[in-house]
Amino acid sequence: DTGVSQDPRHKITKRGQNVTFRCDPISEHNRLYWYRQTLGQGPEFLTYFQNEAQLEKSRLLSDRFSAERPKGSFSTLEIQRTEQGDSAMYLCASSLMDRGYNSPLHFGNGTRLTVT
Amino acid sequence: AQKITQTQPGMFVQEKEAVTLDCTYDTSDQSYGLFWYKQPSSGEMIFLIYQGSYDEQNATEGRYSLNFQKARKSANLVISASQLGDSAMYFCAMRELYGSGNTGKLIFGQGTTLQVKP
Repeated sequence: DTGVSQDPRHKITKRGQNVTFRCDPISEHNRLYWYRQTLGQGPEFLTYFQNEAQLEKSRLLSDRFSAERPKGSFSTLEIQRTEQGDSAMYLCASSLMDRGYNSPLHFGNGTRLTVT
Repeated sequence: AQKITQTQPGMFVQEKEAVTLDCTYDTSDQSYGLFWYKQPSSGEMIFLIYQGSYDEQNATEGRYSLNFQKARKSANLVISASQLGDSAMYFCAMRELYGSGNTGKLIFGQGTTLQVKP
């Protein structure tokens, strides 16, 4: 169990640029989640994958955001035409739900995005 | 409507003392789970403890225990014998079995910052 890894740890970009983040979940985990966390707040759900299928997207996920999980392994989150309001920590989490709903989400260390 | 409410933005506790962090929740599901996470300044979210809605006993994990009062919809975290390393932000979260659409997503509260004084 190498844990959930996210890349990059930090990203500084200029407004209007596109950015892409990567998440590698724990290998046997079939469920993958993206969350956004702003300073001093709790994580907010963005989207959920079961294997390669994106089954839920929050209304927080505007048209500028897109997420993929090809082949049900790693996932990418892309933000197009970034805005200053996109500055936040983007957290990825994974879980294995086959044993019921008491399994916790395992989080990565996050990608901190700063839009200047 | 806020589903998870943590009313204490910040708390202080003396080292070696116990501290209670409050969490109330709102759900119409009969089946749900409650989780607590710790987030140090480094940013990683560390799972601490879980309580299921049908669990009759309060959950315990080492120095962490959960004071679960179902009728009051509260799930307070108790940390005993506080250590300097406990200084962090703490989040309460809920998973609704049906309300989550079987996604298993967690809904988080706003968090409580705990500072342990030497």
